[in-house]
Amino acid sequence: EAGVVQSPRYKIIEKKQPVAFWCNPISGHNTLYWYLQNLGQGPELLIRYENEEAVDDSQLPKDRFSAERLKGVDSTLKIQPAELGDSAVYLCASSDRGNTIYFGEGSWLTVV
Amino acid sequence: LAKTTQPISMDSYEGQEVNITCSHNNIATNDYITWYQQFPSQGPRFIIQGYKTKVTNEVASLFIPADRKSSTLSLPRVSLSDTAVYYCLVGDNDNFNKFYFGSGTKLNVKP
Repeated sequence: EAGVVQSPRYKIIEKKQPVAFWCNPISGHNTLYWYLQNLGQGPELLIRYENEEAVDDSQLPKDRFSAERLKGVDSTLKIQPAELGDSAVYLCASSDRGNTIYFGEGSWLTVV
Repeated sequence: LAKTTQPISMDSYEGQEVNITCSHNNIATNDYITWYQQFPSQGPRFIIQGYKTKVTNEVASLFIPADRKSSTLSLPRVSLSDTAVYYCLVGDNDNFNKFYFGSGTKLNVKP
């Protein structure tokens, strides 16, 4: 069974440019998460979806970040415009309402 | 929100048993304890989960005392490939969105 798939794996953009990350969760997992991980730190939750509903987006910087999960499967996380401080790893994860969260490989963003 | 405290780093040698302890004084009745492993350039990977006493799988053992205010991840006979960051999390089915990763424990296994 395929795990959580993310793309792109690596992205380098200039500041003020937009960027989007895509995530395909494990089949059948209703819960989807986007995490942000800075170098040397643990992942921090940005947003959590239950099916297509964002049930916790309190940590998402809404002035420049947006996310969607149309049809309750794939999800996209967008940053517009990107800032230098947004350079980090963006992790997507999913779970089937249990306590185990399965992570993707992450999308590495460098803003120059 | 039950936060956790772990050592920042640990060193070990190949073949040794490694025990990483995590403190979670504010653990709630419904909270489970979950450990994740993260290698560089990869997302965290589930290792083991438990509620009380002892849990063992093919990778590790998890020891949880009766008061559940701490837990110990035990890795038997580590190898160089076990060099990674290990995160301890607590949470329950209704609030696992509040899982707090912290900075984890950086385990460095030496030859």
